[in-house]
Amino acid sequence: EAQVTQNPRYLITVTGKKLTVTCSQNMNHEYMSWYRQDPGLGLRQIYYSMNVEVTDKGDVPEGYKVSRKEKRNFPLILESPSPNQTSLYFCASSPTRFTNEQFFGPGTRLTVL
Amino acid sequence: AQTVTQSQPEMSVQEAETVTLSCTYDTSESDYYLFWYKQPPSRQMILVIRQEAYKQQNATENRFSVNFQKAAKSFSLKISDSQLGDAAMYFCAYRSRSGNTGKLIFGQGTTLQVKP
Repeated sequence: EAQVTQNPRYLITVTGKKLTVTCSQNMNHEYMSWYRQDPGLGLRQIYYSMNVEVTDKGDVPEGYKVSRKEKRNFPLILESPSPNQTSLYFCASSPTRFTNEQFFGPGTRLTVL
Repeated sequence: AQTVTQSQPEMSVQEAETVTLSCTYDTSESDYYLFWYKQPPSRQMILVIRQEAYKQQNATENRFSVNFQKAAKSFSLKISDSQLGDAAMYFCAYRSRSGNTGKLIFGQGTTLQVKP
C-alpha cells in the first residue's frame, strides 16, 4: 500500500529534551515536506526537500532540523524543544514539487511541557 | 507572497442539505493548483477535490463540487446531500506550479457541523 508513515503518533516531552519524529514514504517520491498545524493558522511549512541531500527552510523553520540521507526518509529533529513547539505535525510527499497532490502522513501530536 | 483566506471559522448544515464553504486567495501567478482537504477527528488530511487554474471547468467529485472564479480569486466548495460523515474541518490550499518551494499554502480552516 502506498503511504506516508510517521512515528510516534503521540509524544509528550519536556523542554530541552531532544527528539526526532520519523517520516517514511514508499512511493519513491523526490519531494518531501514537514508542516505544523496550529489552531487558527492552518498548516505551515517547516522544511522541505527536493531530493536526497537537498533540503531548505520553509516558513517556520526556527527550532527544527531535518536531514534527507535516503530518498524514503525525512526525519524532523527538535534539538531543544520548547513549549511553543507544541503542535500537530504532518509529513507529506509528492513525486516532484510541481505535482498536483501531496500525500500526507497520519500526523504526530507533540506536547512540550 | 501568496495567501489563502477562509473567512468562516464554523459552518453548520442539516443532513441532506447543501452547504458552501468559502475560500479566497491572493497570487500574482497564473499557473497553480487549488485544493480542498478534509480533516476528520482522526486528524488525517484527506484530499477532497483539486482544481488546476488553467482549466476553466469546475472540478466535481461525487457530492463535492467547486466554484472556481479565477479573476475574483475565489474557490468555494459545495457539498450536496450532506452526510454525518462530512463533519470535519475543511482546509483550502494553494500550490504553485512554478515556485521553488513546492509548499502548500493553507487557509485557516472551516469546521463543518452536520446536524441530523
